[in-house]
Amino acid sequence: GAVVSQHPSWVICKSGTSVKIECRSLDFQATTMFWYRQFPKQSLMLMATSNEGSKATYEQGVEKDKFLINHASLTLSTLTVTSAHPEDSSFYICSARATSASRYNEQFFGPGTRLTVL
Amino acid sequence: GEDVEQSLFLSVREGDSSVINCTYTDSSSTYLYWYKQEPGAGLQLLTYIFSNMDMKQDQRLTVLLNKKDKHLSLRIADTQTGDSAIYFCAVRHGSSNTGKLIFGQGTTLQVKP
Repeated sequence: GAVVSQHPSWVICKSGTSVKIECRSLDFQATTMFWYRQFPKQSLMLMATSNEGSKATYEQGVEKDKFLINHASLTLSTLTVTSAHPEDSSFYICSARATSASRYNEQFFGPGTRLTVL
Repeated sequence: GEDVEQSLFLSVREGDSSVINCTYTDSSSTYLYWYKQEPGAGLQLLTYIFSNMDMKQDQRLTVLLNKKDKHLSLRIADTQTGDSAIYFCAVRHGSSNTGKLIFGQGTTLQVKP
């Protein structure tokens, strides 16, 4: 079946540094990828939608200069948290939708990346 | 905007049935989903239903949709300890199959031996 991987699975960094998270679709091509943020015991909040080869569309309230998204190929999207601060600590989950989506248009989710900013 | 609500916690005994409920506000939503999240992991699609269906059964899982009341439920028969997880109801915004997914807060299912 369709597999989405994320790397790293967890990362601890110092305040002020930048962190890059990779999202890969392993056995399918993904025209569209989504980045979500999840706080403890809360739901997933969509941060941005990225389409291969074009600029990402950010949800209201998400700073595009802070959360840089690059979707350079049909199998890779990256999220870079720039100048990270403790309030950016969260669980980041990516999701990919296949180029030829099924009728129910399933999105396949990665395992998530736990970011802790000290 | 679209809102999806779930109860936060459900505790059942092993072997019993579990029923997780969800309500949503967008009456034009066509695609509705149930996801399972185990600790520290991403989301796994369990099942889905189209808005023109009332019920869908898939092995131990039964999804009921009351479109008039905008109410969705997931029934897990013969609940096992391995079913302990967080269950998210998700609704695709609007009638398009490319609308964004709106998630509920998640229901933590605790299964006691």
